[in-house]
Amino acid sequence: NAGVTQTPKFRILKIGQSMTLQCAQDMNHNYMYWYRQDPGMGLKLIYYSVGAGITDKGEVPNGYNVSRSTTEYFPLRLELAAPSQTSVYFCASRDQSYSGELFFGEGSRLTVL
Amino acid sequence: TQLLEQSPQFLSIQEGENLTVYCNSSSVFSSLQWYRQEPGEGPVLLVTVVTGGEVKKLKRLTFQFGDARKDSSLHITAAQPGDTGLYLCAGAKLGSNYQLIWGAGTKLIIKP
Repeated sequence: NAGVTQTPKFRILKIGQSMTLQCAQDMNHNYMYWYRQDPGMGLKLIYYSVGAGITDKGEVPNGYNVSRSTTEYFPLRLELAAPSQTSVYFCASRDQSYSGELFFGEGSRLTVL
Repeated sequence: TQLLEQSPQFLSIQEGENLTVYCNSSSVFSSLQWYRQEPGEGPVLLVTVVTGGEVKKLKRLTFQFGDARKDSSLHITAAQPGDTGLYLCAGAKLGSNYQLIWGAGTKLIIKP
């Protein structure tokens, strides 16, 4: 069972570079999320999607962009990387029920130098 | 802004002791979930509570949802080193299931 798959697991970027974090889920979930987590802290929502073609901003969207062309994929784009974007990024998905379990990927650790 | 206040933020206790973690809000949730996260991994669901006053037990862990569905607690009896981790609560916003409100997390360390 693959669940939620994120790539890459680790990445070092220079200031000003851009990159895309990939996320794929094979559970046919409509809801998908991107979170960032700073050391020892909780989760902050960057972007979310309630279905293919529908995305919306979370609480910390600046410097990021997303797309959701299919149910399975929800990539996160970082434009003009800044040191403040150094964090661990988690992609997650769940079904539409109000009590649906949120399934997380293993995380992508990004360092911007 | 809907908030879910989680306390304490950090707890370090000896093996065998009991502890309680709280999540409180002024808003009503349709459900509340507790997750545990270990270093280098994503959070994993422990339990979902949906009914006001509901109590669920998972071995030594007891979860309670407040009668008004605004708060929840996690009680661990006779804590063990394997309970060490970051505990997160998340409430599903009433009327919009896709919106989860997260607590800031409780970092729990159980010393042998």
